[in-house]
Amino acid sequence: NAGVMQNPRHLVRRRGQEARLRCSPMKGHSHVYWYRQLPEEGLKFMVYLQKENIIDESGMPKERFSAEFPKEGPSILRIQQVVRGDSAAYFCASSPANPGQAHTEAFFGQGTRLTVV
Amino acid sequence: SQKIEQNSEALNIQEGKTATLTCNYTNYSPAYLQWYRQDPGRGPVFLLLIRENEKEKRKERLKVTFDTTLKQSLFHITASQPADSATYLCAARGSQGNLIFGKGTKLSVKP
Repeated sequence: NAGVMQNPRHLVRRRGQEARLRCSPMKGHSHVYWYRQLPEEGLKFMVYLQKENIIDESGMPKERFSAEFPKEGPSILRIQQVVRGDSAAYFCASSPANPGQAHTEAFFGQGTRLTVV
Repeated sequence: SQKIEQNSEALNIQEGKTATLTCNYTNYSPAYLQWYRQDPGRGPVFLLLIRENEKEKRKERLKVTFDTTLKQSLFHITASQPADSATYLCAARGSQGNLIFGKGTKLSVKP
């Protein structure tokens, strides 16, 4: 059973371009979470999705950022018109159920390191 | 707002000693707390979960406690080894089901 797969591992974009980060959850997992991490800082929650639904996007900037988790295919975190301040590591995690209900842990991918030049 | 705080950014100890890391939570009462390990350039890896009705949980050289009166969890690594050097993250569930993380404590175990 493969773990959470994120791609690409490294992404370089020029200011103003779009960045698309992909996350394939573990098999059987229907809950996906995206986090952002700056060097020497903790994981900052961005968005929580279930298949075809956004459950909580309270941590995601209102502009330029969007996320989806379609019925088929990976979850996508999309950043439009990137700026230098978007440079960070973006981690995706998945769980088989709502961690609050099933007391299950989250399984993390290895992250995508976005560099905006 | 709900907060998870890990007071120590870094902890340096000698090999063989016990490392103790602290996690405090404010403005809510989580049903459980989780601890993760993160190595440089990699995603966090789950270590232990402790429920509010559990005082203590152990796994090999790891021990976690949960004190709902103090609103605190302690994470212990006994007989520490240089391979234990990593950043350790405490997490609890937010009101919508997402996991909220502390900033982490970077542990360095010197031989």
